Parts: sequence; structure tokens; C-alpha cells
Amino acid sequence: GAVVSQHPSWVICKSGTSVKIECRSLDFQATTMFWYRQFPKQSLMLMATSNEGSKATYEQGVEKDKFLINHASLTLSTLTVTSAHPEDSSFYICSARDTSRVSYNEQFFGPGTRLTVL
Amino acid sequence: RKEVEQDPGPFNVPEGATVAFNCTYSNSASQSFFWYRQDCRKEPKLLMSVYSSGNEDGRFTAQLNRASQYISLLIRDSKLSDSATYLCVVNRGTDKLIFGTGTRLQVFP
Repeated sequence: GAVVSQHPSWVICKSGTSVKIECRSLDFQATTMFWYRQFPKQSLMLMATSNEGSKATYEQGVEKDKFLINHASLTLSTLTVTSAHPEDSSFYICSARDTSRVSYNEQFFGPGTRLTVL
Repeated sequence: RKEVEQDPGPFNVPEGATVAFNCTYSNSASQSFFWYRQDCRKEPKLLMSVYSSGNEDGRFTAQLNRASQYISLLIRDSKLSDSATYLCVVNRGTDKLIFGTGTRLQVFP
């Protein structure tokens, strides 16, 4: 149990285009999902917390108009990188928290999406 | 200063060796502590939670020293499959996980 999927697993796009990444909890409901970004040889950095039915909470320094988050259902959150530029190239990972589990803080991670912007 | 600091390594050890990783955190309000394992180009996976009393899971032992704000991970009888990056992670009691940059371990035959 507690499987999180992401789609696509990798994407290459031209500068200026928008890219949508999906994060799904496959066997549990997730009222809260998290989006992280990881640059090479760096740690995972939380970008935003996605809440089902309400607005996402963004970390300091993350542009909400550039990284659009939609959490339309209890099993799906999407991250759209708008007008992507080469500096947005990174490994984007989502995670979800199953609040029905005893270990309240445990987050289950998706396999990640590698974005390359040319 | 980073909130969670780790020696990036790499630690190159032979099979069967015992290796220890250390981690320090700066926020005394941190409440939960974890070690995650991340393979190259993969997502992190929870290895174990860390408790003040210390805890063991097979060949892995984790320790927490709240007074020193220090966390450790000991791996005994290293296997080739242990080669990965080990991430020290803290939580302040909110949803937010703070990740260290990781310590890379390479186990050789």
C-alpha cells in the first residue's frame, strides 16, 4: 500500500512552454500533497504544500504564478511549470500523506519527474 | 548555515565493513527525525525513524542526541546493495520535512 505515482517520469521541452506534472495517490486518499524540487547534488527543497479543495501554500522564494498547483481531488495534485526556462530544469518530486495512518507525519514519495528545458 | 548538515562523502567502504554517518540540525524545535535512502535518479525512501532511545532495524542503528542536536546512522556488515545516498531529515512538528544534502555511500567488493 501507500503508492504514489507521477507522470510523466521525464520531459524535455522548449523554453517558454508550460509543463504539467501529475501526482497521484493510488491506494489511499491524500488531503495533503507536497511538491519538492531537487537540483543535482543538492537536497530536496519543499516548494509548496498542496491542499485538497483549497489554495496551495508556497515556500518563501517560490513564485506561485510560475508554479501553479491544483489539488482537485483526494488522489490527484498537479504542478504546472509555466513559461519554463533552462533554470527550471530539475527533478520534481511529489509526496503525499495518508492521514489515516498511525504514523501521521510519514510522507510517501512519487518516483519523480525529470524536467529538462532547452 | 543549513538547517540540516551532513558530510557529503563519499564514503567508500568494502563489503562487510561498518560505517557511520552523522548529521546535525540547527532548529531545537525539531520534533521528528528520519533517515531516508535515495538511489541515483530515484525518489527518497524511508529507511527508519530515529528516536531518543535509539533504535535498530537489522543491520541499521539510528541514534538521536537532542542535547547536541545530533543524529547518527550506523550500518553494520555493509552490502553492495547499501550503496546509495543517505538523507538525514527532520520535522518541526508541522508538515514540512527538512532534508540534508545527503551522504553518499559506495560499498565495493
